[in-house]
Amino acid sequence: EAQVTQNPRYLITVTGKKLTVTCSQNMNHEYMSWYRQDPGLGLRQIYYSMNVEVTDKGDVPEGYKVSRKEKRNFPLILESPSPNQTSLYFCASSPWTSGGEAQYFGPGTRLLVL
Amino acid sequence: AQSVAQPEDQVNVAEGNPLTVKCTYSVSGNPYLFWYVQYPNRGLQFLLKYITGDNLVKGSYGFEAEFNKSQTSFHLKKPSALVSDSALYFCALRRTSGSARQLTFGSGTQLTVLP
Repeated sequence: EAQVTQNPRYLITVTGKKLTVTCSQNMNHEYMSWYRQDPGLGLRQIYYSMNVEVTDKGDVPEGYKVSRKEKRNFPLILESPSPNQTSLYFCASSPWTSGGEAQYFGPGTRLLVL
Repeated sequence: AQSVAQPEDQVNVAEGNPLTVKCTYSVSGNPYLFWYVQYPNRGLQFLLKYITGDNLVKGSYGFEAEFNKSQTSFHLKKPSALVSDSALYFCALRRTSGSARQLTFGSGTQLTVLP
């Protein structure tokens, strides 16, 4: 089954404690992206990757890091989480062809930073 | 600046009635527009897209959307709403800056279909 998986689905942590949210897709997609969803703001892009070893900042990259060492994986790293990073996070992927492709979204990771 | 707006936070409609969820956009050049749906505790699911061609786009679950260039709108429609259509709906615009392909999402519209 074609899918994007994220782990963990729920996470409670404390300020300053480094964490990683994993994202994996099994569709051989070139393009992967991280979004955060906050009430009234829709989804905002954090980082994206056009292929292995190619990443770039989205609209709200501060406080986040990513890496793309393998095509299927795109982890999101919070080196020193703060309460304003409490949010619902989504990973997404799509093929890199004509540009009109729909993105496939993971189930989401709900993060609470105390 | 390229942006999308969903002017209604909440739309309520009776089951069996037609529904419309509104979206307007602002972009230089030709727009690539998308609709996604989010059911409770789930990720976003693709519904339909407009790239070029017919202004009426048909998508999943009986939904369709009408692209109107003069009004810069891309409203989502369904002729007969179901209770199971109750969900959060997002309009999105593919940005065309540089070589990247990024989506800009609207703030979302909560659709409630009343039995």
